[in-house]
Amino acid sequence: EIVLTQSPGTLSLSPGERVTLSCRASQSVRSDYVAWYQQKSGQAPRLLIFGASSRATGIPDRFSGGGSGTDFTLTISRLEPEDFAVYYCQYHDNPLYTFGQGTKLETK
Amino acid sequence: QLQLQESGPGLVKPSETLSLTCTVSDASMSSSSYYWAWIRQPPGKGLEWIGSIYFSGNTYYTPSLRSRVLISKDRSKSQVSLQMNSVTTADTAMYYCARLRGYWAEDWGQGTPVTVSS
Repeated sequence: EIVLTQSPGTLSLSPGERVTLSCRASQSVRSDYVAWYQQKSGQAPRLLIFGASSRATGIPDRFSGGGSGTDFTLTISRLEPEDFAVYYCQYHDNPLYTFGQGTKLETK
Repeated sequence: QLQLQESGPGLVKPSETLSLTCTVSDASMSSSSYYWAWIRQPPGKGLEWIGSIYFSGNTYYTPSLRSRVLISKDRSKSQVSLQMNSVTTADTAMYYCARLRGYWAEDWGQGTPVTVSS
């Protein structure tokens, strides 16, 4: 069973800053099975990135994903006020799925 | 535009069975490109995958819930259903229906809250 560990748990940042979120798998995984979601307070999650690095439809290009093996990242190049939310990574541990515990981006 | 609408009782008593329905607004249940999942989120906590159902009808459940959960679908009604028996207070959560494409949840319903309490 693959376990995803996200770090840090919470980040306090200001609009305009650049941020990189980390998702580490307990063993080497397939990059094409990695996805990232954004969840704003009181809303359902929204798909941001699939296949580790492909942006979902309508996602701004300030969001980018990367990584391979056990280490994956989500980078927001320049934080907008609407980007303060919780971010989850997810892996398709065939045939099951697993989520990381989430990273919360809060306003400094 | 696709809409996924979850519905069901907001309150369930301990030891009883939780039944939820997800109604799909478009024809994507007729496509083998899509499959379906239930995901839940306890208050203040992270996301937990409950299980998935494929076009073929095959189902897969997270091991910790496998003995209590059944996911089914009815293409004629464009509905995906979740049944969870012997619920406890630990099953109190927001329950989401999601449409999967590839290896990710491409679309999500707004969720339906479920409280387990006597």
